[in-house]
Amino acid sequence: GAGVSQSPSNKVTEKGKDVELRCDPISGHTALYWYRQSLGQGLEFLIYFQGNSAPDKSGLPSDRFSAERTGGSVSTLTIQRTQQEDSAVYLCASSANYGYTFGSGTRLTVV
Amino acid sequence: GQQLNQSPQSMFIQEGEDVSMNCTSSSIFNTWLWYKQDPGEGPVLLIALYKAGELTSNGRLTAQFGITRKDSFLNISASIPSDVGIYFCAGQLTINFGNEKLTFGTGTRLTIIP
Repeated sequence: GAGVSQSPSNKVTEKGKDVELRCDPISGHTALYWYRQSLGQGLEFLIYFQGNSAPDKSGLPSDRFSAERTGGSVSTLTIQRTQQEDSAVYLCASSANYGYTFGSGTRLTVV
Repeated sequence: GQQLNQSPQSMFIQEGEDVSMNCTSSSIFNTWLWYKQDPGEGPVLLIALYKAGELTSNGRLTAQFGITRKDSFLNISASIPSDVGIYFCAGQLTINFGNEKLTFGTGTRLTIIP
């Protein structure tokens, strides 16, 4: 597509439920990144994909967080048993040879 | 995770004023990037710097890559209302994109006072 597409744009979930966030990168971009942005904070790295492999998953905060990428394209970030501290904007970016293009993010609110 | 130290945290200026913000790191980066984020959107790249000492301009924006490779600054001249937003610096160890994560600064929120 023309840009990085993320869905849903907003998600409100109850504490303890699982959520799935989706990222559709720019066509042909082999690298895909997930970042988390808490209110008023900078971007915190979560995981990076090169193709379908994840060379760096060092930013995943706990084993409740996982991500996968299939067909070198769409990626899903899954958060199990959500907690209130998981509330944040989850941003996806993709990259080819120059720079990174970010999506508009998914705002997750855990109540 | 690590974040770069960015200052000031917020700025309140009048339209037409010049703006300066900077970013420092305890470790070396070989690429420095500056992004702007509008409400409800992802960050958008403004300027990329690849060489220590490099000074690069993009319209009213000028950014420099510090000689020590541990800092960078961004200047905005003659600010206009659409400059309002949050500015982030970001560092990367390599000069190639798509091979590693970016480390982001804590952000500078720019507000223009009417």
